[in-house]
Amino acid sequence: EVQLLESGGGLVQPGGSLRLSCAASGFTFSSYAMSWVRQAPGKGLEWVSAISGSGGSTYYADSVKGRFTISRDNSKNTLYLQMNSLRAEDTAVYYCAKWLGDYRGGIWYYYGMDVWGQGTTVTVSS
Amino acid sequence: QSALTQPASVSGSPGQSITISCTGTSSDVGGYNYVSWYQQHPGKAPKLMIYEVSNRPSGVPDRFSGSKSGNTASLTISGLQAEDEADYYCSSYTSSSTLVVFGGGTKLTVL
Repeated sequence: EVQLLESGGGLVQPGGSLRLSCAASGFTFSSYAMSWVRQAPGKGLEWVSAISGSGGSTYYADSVKGRFTISRDNSKNTLYLQMNSLRAEDTAVYYCAKWLGDYRGGIWYYYGMDVWGQGTTVTVSS
Repeated sequence: QSALTQPASVSGSPGQSITISCTGTSSDVGGYNYVSWYQQHPGKAPKLMIYEVSNRPSGVPDRFSGSKSGNTASLTISGLQAEDEADYYCSSYTSSSTLVVFGGGTKLTVL
């Protein structure tokens, strides 16, 4: 069964850091780009970041650029999101998702996201 | 403000058909056939319903269909069922700085 399982969420003070993890199973992890998508309480979905299958290419939403770092360990079938300088507006449920498409020849191909984790909650508050 | 524009809510009776629109620009919806649609029930993760404008993943009922005209994509659900009541989000690749954009979401109520 194809599955994604996030962990690492919690309560953190403004300016603090947190690292989210997403353990993948049931598919060849290294063959697929992956993304993080978040959803603030009562709000819609917001794409956060993507990483190619090899991990060599990454992309970020403007709202997190310079503060968040996406990475992956293909030997452990795990995706990460390092979040620094956290703000109240980063409060959300964070989902990892398997990307349909990939990064090839300098071009990102996004057809959709076909597998999602259950989400992990990040709360930034003093 | 979301990059893609969806109606906040739509409704329909069981058995009827409804259509949810998703309007963007030539930099996203209109420029690429990379529109996808997601269904989200309360407290649950999103589920992919349509990818590349009109393709259904395995397991998604053929009551769900997608299309695109110009800068507007549409999701049509025919033969509405009670379990279709959920939030629906469109998404697209974009050539702007952000790579992927979502719509603000549409709440579907089955009367």
